[in-house]
Amino acid sequence: NAGVTQTPKFQVLKTGQSMTLQCAQDMNHEYMSWYRQDPGMGLRLIHYSVGAGITDQGEVPNGYNVSRSTTEDFPLRLLSAAPSQTSVYFCASSYSTLDLKSYNEQFFGPGTRLTVL
Amino acid sequence: DAKTTQPPSMDCAEGRAANLPCNHSTISGNEYVYWYRQIHSQGPQYIIHGLKNNETNEMASLIITEDRKSSTLILPHATLRDTAVYYCIVRVTDFNAGNNRKLIWGLGTSLAVNP
Repeated sequence: NAGVTQTPKFQVLKTGQSMTLQCAQDMNHEYMSWYRQDPGMGLRLIHYSVGAGITDQGEVPNGYNVSRSTTEDFPLRLLSAAPSQTSVYFCASSYSTLDLKSYNEQFFGPGTRLTVL
Repeated sequence: DAKTTQPPSMDCAEGRAANLPCNHSTISGNEYVYWYRQIHSQGPQYIIHGLKNNETNEMASLIITEDRKSSTLILPHATLRDTAVYYCIVRVTDFNAGNNRKLIWGLGTSLAVNP
């Protein structure tokens, strides 16, 4: 298994440009999520999905869109890049259950380092 | 806001046990405590989780106090490869979105294992 893959590894954008960060997993995980990590701050949840066709907002969703047309893929779209979106972006996936008492380990991708000028 | 408090940094000698504390005084009865680590800007890696009882796996042990207000992650024989940022996290269940779950991440503890 390749696990969770992310592309690109690095990206530089100009303010106002749009782009899509790709995330894919081959573990048949229902749950996928996007985080951003900034210096001096913990990981913050942007958007997440509990299955194909279902997405929801996290803590910091503004400026980002997601869709989940397949179980494997969960792309993150920046609509109009801003310098405040300069960050490292991590995608994660896990099995998902409806049991509130259970937890399934999240597997993280290697990250995409995005700079917006 | 993060619901956990961890020391920003710790040192440990190679081969010795590393004990990483975490305070989660506002944890509620059905919230789990999770530990992840992040090695040099790689994606975080799951270590262990627990609710009430102490837990052990091949990577570490988790000791949770009886009142559940704090916990300690123990790496029994730290190696140089254990140098990383360690995150203690509690799980928040968003009841407004069914059984969807979110983790709230703090800043973690930067552990340096020294030769």
